Amino acid sequence: DGGITQSPKYLFRKEGQNVTLSCEQNLNHDAMYWYRQDPGQGLRLIYYSQIVNDFQKGDIAEGYSVSREKKESFPLTVTSAQKNPTAFYLCASSDTAATNEKLFFGSGTQLSVL
Amino acid sequence: AQSVTQPDIHITVSEGASLELRCNYSYGATPYLFWYVQSPGQGLQLLLKYFSGDTLVQGIKGFEAEFKRSQSSFNLRKPSVHWSDAAEYFCAVVAGISRRALTFGSGTRLQVQP
Repeated sequence: DGGITQSPKYLFRKEGQNVTLSCEQNLNHDAMYWYRQDPGQGLRLIYYSQIVNDFQKGDIAEGYSVSREKKESFPLTVTSAQKNPTAFYLCASSDTAATNEKLFFGSGTQLSVL
Repeated sequence: AQSVTQPDIHITVSEGASLELRCNYSYGATPYLFWYVQSPGQGLQLLLKYFSGDTLVQGIKGFEAEFKRSQSSFNLRKPSVHWSDAAEYFCAVVAGISRRALTFGSGTRLQVQP
């Protein structure tokens, strides 16, 4: 079945540690996105990528990094510079970057700080 | 800059009652508008979208939404709510062709009473 796979579902980070969240899609979509979700704040855009080997900062990119070496993969690294990383992280992809006609979402990763 | 406001954080309705979830947007150009639904601990699923044309759009699961330019609104409606509709609902607007990513509202949590 086509879709977006995020792993792990739950992740714990120790202080000062970098952690990487995986996002893989087999929908052949060009565009991929990372959103952070906090209670009562909706979704906020961290990074997005419209094509391979290119990505752009979103509204809250500080403390995060991404790569887009392959079309199907868009991993997100939460660095030690991100002082408040506890949140639900959602990865999404879309077929057309022109209008985002439809975003397909993964099932999310809950990141917590130990 | 574009923004989306969902003034109701939490709404409770009785099963079988009608539902209207409010969404107001701020955007200079003709907006592309979306409604998504999220079940607990899951990703988001697209309910419906408005790009142009008929201002009343039909979506999945019996939902509809009406675009009113004069009021900058895109309210979601359902004539008869089912217990399975309990979830969080997000309104979103595309953040402009230059960035090509969605800006989400803060969400409305729907509770359905038997």
